[in-house]
Amino acid sequence: EAGVTQSPRYAVLQEGQAVSFWCDPISGHDTLYWYQQPRDQGPQLLVYFRDEAVIDNSQLPSDRFSAVRPKGTNSTLKIQSAKQGDTATYLCASSEDWGNYAEQFFGPGTRLTVL
Amino acid sequence: GEQVEQLPSILRVQEGSSASINCTYENSASNYFPWYKQEPGENPKLIIDIRSNMERKQTQGLIVLLDKKAKRFSLHITDTQPGDSAMYFCAATMSNYNVLYFGSGTKLTVEP
Repeated sequence: EAGVTQSPRYAVLQEGQAVSFWCDPISGHDTLYWYQQPRDQGPQLLVYFRDEAVIDNSQLPSDRFSAVRPKGTNSTLKIQSAKQGDTATYLCASSEDWGNYAEQFFGPGTRLTVL
Repeated sequence: GEQVEQLPSILRVQEGSSASINCTYENSASNYFPWYKQEPGENPKLIIDIRSNMERKQTQGLIVLLDKKAKRFSLHITDTQPGDSAMYFCAATMSNYNVLYFGSGTKLTVEP
């Protein structure tokens, strides 16, 4: 079974530039998460979806970040105008079920550097 | 929400010895506590978890303990090997809300 895939694996930007990250979850997983992991820190949730619906985006900086999952499968996370503080690895995860105890499977991440 | 504190941030042990990592949480509604291992450049992978109806769980050289009264849980790696060297993250989540709240991580180095 294929795991969670993400692209690109790396991105280097100047401040003010835009970037998009793409995630393909495990087939059949209805819940998809985007986490931000600063260097040497634990992942922190940005947004998550059940099917195409946003369940929680309270930690997403809405003025510059956006995330969509239009068909309830693949998802795109976009940063409109990147800042140096956005430098981090962006991890996508998916789980088979909505409920508690559902294991989250993580993708390899996109490592973003904003100069 | 939830706040998870994890200590130590750096841990060095000799091969064959045990390693212990401790985490505390704040929200008494948290009832699921997974542990993830992350190797350099790789994605986090679930290695063991414990639910709030248990106090201890063991699998393949890993032991997790949960003290709900103290809001504390811990991972113990017995007979460590160089392949155990990695970042370890604890996490907590609340019933009916599957968002994981992670600790800040422990960098474990097992020296031959």
